[in-house]
Amino acid sequence: EVQLVESGGGLVQPGRSLRLSCAASGFTFDDYAMYWVRQAPGKGLEWVSGISWNGGSIGYVDSVKGRFTISRDNAKNSLYLQMNSLRAEDTAFYYCAKDLYGGWNGAFDIWGQGTMVTVSS
Amino acid sequence: EIVLTQSPATLSLSPGERATLSCRASQSVSSYLAWYQQKPGQAPRLLIYDASKRATGIPARFSGSGSGTDFTLTISSLEPEDFAVYYCQQFSNWPPLTFGGGTKVEIK
Repeated sequence: EVQLVESGGGLVQPGRSLRLSCAASGFTFDDYAMYWVRQAPGKGLEWVSGISWNGGSIGYVDSVKGRFTISRDNAKNSLYLQMNSLRAEDTAFYYCAKDLYGGWNGAFDIWGQGTMVTVSS
Repeated sequence: EIVLTQSPATLSLSPGERATLSCRASQSVSSYLAWYQQKPGQAPRLLIYDASKRATGIPARFSGSGSGTDFTLTISSLEPEDFAVYYCQQFSNWPPLTFGGGTKVEIK
């Protein structure tokens, strides 16, 4: 079964850091680009970041550039999101998602269940 | 950045009725458009990609059409499990990847 499981969310104070992880199973992880998508409570979906299969291509939404860093470890079938200088507006469910085709395409066929990040003092 | 505008925001229909959801892009995305369904407390699920291709396991009552800037998701006959929020997403010109604001299909 193809599965993505996020972890690492929690309550954090503004300005602090948090690292999210996504464990992948059931598919050849290093054949696929991977992404992070977030959803603030009661709001719509927002793409946060993406990384190609080998890390050669990386992209971010403007609001997180310079604060968030996406990475992956293909040997561990894992995706990460290092989030620094967190703000209240980063409060959201964070989903990890798999590329539909494999390459740097940008459609998501498999999603994890998400991990909640709350930024509050 | 490509902006996707979905309409209507809310669609109130009864089971068995036909649902027609619209997604308009601020510039052409060719056929690089996907539709997702999200139920409360769940992750989104891919329904349609490349504007008109059904994802694996998606029932035939779901269909997508359009190209360029105007797209439609049609549910031919609503089942109880279809009441949810639907999002369109473009993957033509990115970063950033962008989503529409969503259409909620609710029971009338």
